[in-house]
Amino acid sequence: DTEVTQTPKHLVMGMTNKKSLKCEQHMGHRAMYWYKQKAKKPPELMFVYSYEKLSINESVPSRFSPECPNSSLLNLHLHALQPEDSALYLCASSRWGSSGVQVSGELFFGEGSRLTVL
Amino acid sequence: QKEVEQNSGPLSVPEGAIASLNCTYSDRGSQSFFWYRQYSGKSPELIMSIYSNGDKEDGRFTAQLNKASQYVSLLIRDSQPSDSATYLCAVTESNYQLIWGAGTKLIIKP
Repeated sequence: DTEVTQTPKHLVMGMTNKKSLKCEQHMGHRAMYWYKQKAKKPPELMFVYSYEKLSINESVPSRFSPECPNSSLLNLHLHALQPEDSALYLCASSRWGSSGVQVSGELFFGEGSRLTVL
Repeated sequence: QKEVEQNSGPLSVPEGAIASLNCTYSDRGSQSFFWYRQYSGKSPELIMSIYSNGDKEDGRFTAQLNKASQYVSLLIRDSQPSDSATYLCAVTESNYQLIWGAGTKLIIKP
């Protein structure tokens, strides 16, 4: 059983739609991450939240908007996406996090949300 | 540009043999090293972490780190068809950024 849960598993949206990806972790972790992964590529870091504060934004376009309502929840709001944004979006958590640029290498990933933008 | 390099493969290994996966990194100040397994269409799963020179064993998996040569490897003993996956090497560099290799596709042939 995965302890990092992502919903939905699959999402198809048009370029004018607004949708959200959700992530919940029950591991007591204080750092949560959004990664984007294209086929045959490694995960690409988008955002890091540490103690519910945004600590890293890897120059992600504003059509992606993260939100961390509490230490267990992480959302990614999507608006006016482009077809090239189609990818697997991965949420991850880790045991520790701090302000600045630290990113843990011991990541626990959810199953991912596969996004298709038409 | 600091890098983590892996042979993309595919690496084909007979069932029961030892699979050897290799990774090199460019930042001599790197501190932490990780191996992730990713099945097709699934998310990455952490299988090994190693922080100091030498070998670390966990079941059929052994991670080997040589900081002088800037080299980390993963050995899988008694390879099984279920080990067929892409293996991603990730390195925490001196500025604490986590850098990923492109992954090696491993195929275990029955």
